[in-house]
Amino acid sequence: QFVLTQPPSVSAAPGQKVTISCSGSSSKIGNSYVSWYQQLPGTAPKLLIHDNNKRPSGIPDRFSGSKSGTSATLGIIGLQTGDEANYYCATWDSSLDAGVFGGGTKLTVL
Amino acid sequence: EVLLAESGGGSVQPGGSLRLSCAASGFTSSDYWMHWVRQAPGKGLVWVSCIEGDGSRTKYADFVKGRFTISRDNAKNTLYLQMNSLRAEDTAVYYCTRDFSNLGFDYWGQGTLVTVSS
Repeated sequence: QFVLTQPPSVSAAPGQKVTISCSGSSSKIGNSYVSWYQQLPGTAPKLLIHDNNKRPSGIPDRFSGSKSGTSATLGIIGLQTGDEANYYCATWDSSLDAGVFGGGTKLTVL
Repeated sequence: EVLLAESGGGSVQPGGSLRLSCAASGFTSSDYWMHWVRQAPGKGLVWVSCIEGDGSRTKYADFVKGRFTISRDNAKNTLYLQMNSLRAEDTAVYYCTRDFSNLGFDYWGQGTLVTVSS
């Protein structure tokens, strides 16, 4: 259903690191920028990463983004219980000429 | 301070219409593409539509083409989404958001709930 593939869930202990993948194709991710969002329950999404690897002002450097080919990755180090949330990737799909989100990944900090 | 505030959501029967509004403040709205993103209850984010700063270009997700129309009035700093022929599957919270860089949505509204049910 979603054109960008994310793992449904990931988990790690406090203080550890986790990566969340976002897989697309040549028409999505491959020739476009990727952004990442964090959504806490009952709130609007929050921009974490834009243009593949840039952090907006106010986002701690514990969060990082990378892109390689048709996949992108969000990395979070020094996990905190407050990082428990759903995370989404997004990009522009040049074949659909439309924006697309991944299905979302629920992060559990054990 | 940048603020986005949606309004216009509510309950409507299948086949009905609604017009959502998004009032923007704290920035020059004509400088930015603006988007609508929706989220069905308990589900993920789904991109719906966008419009260029001067309103000259619009884009739509396939599932709303021909039914939804995005527009903006920069003099009023307001974004709109006219939704016609609504279906049960259009039930969702609808967010307006500002695109500052390549789908980098840096500001979001609080969302407005649209419920399509008989």
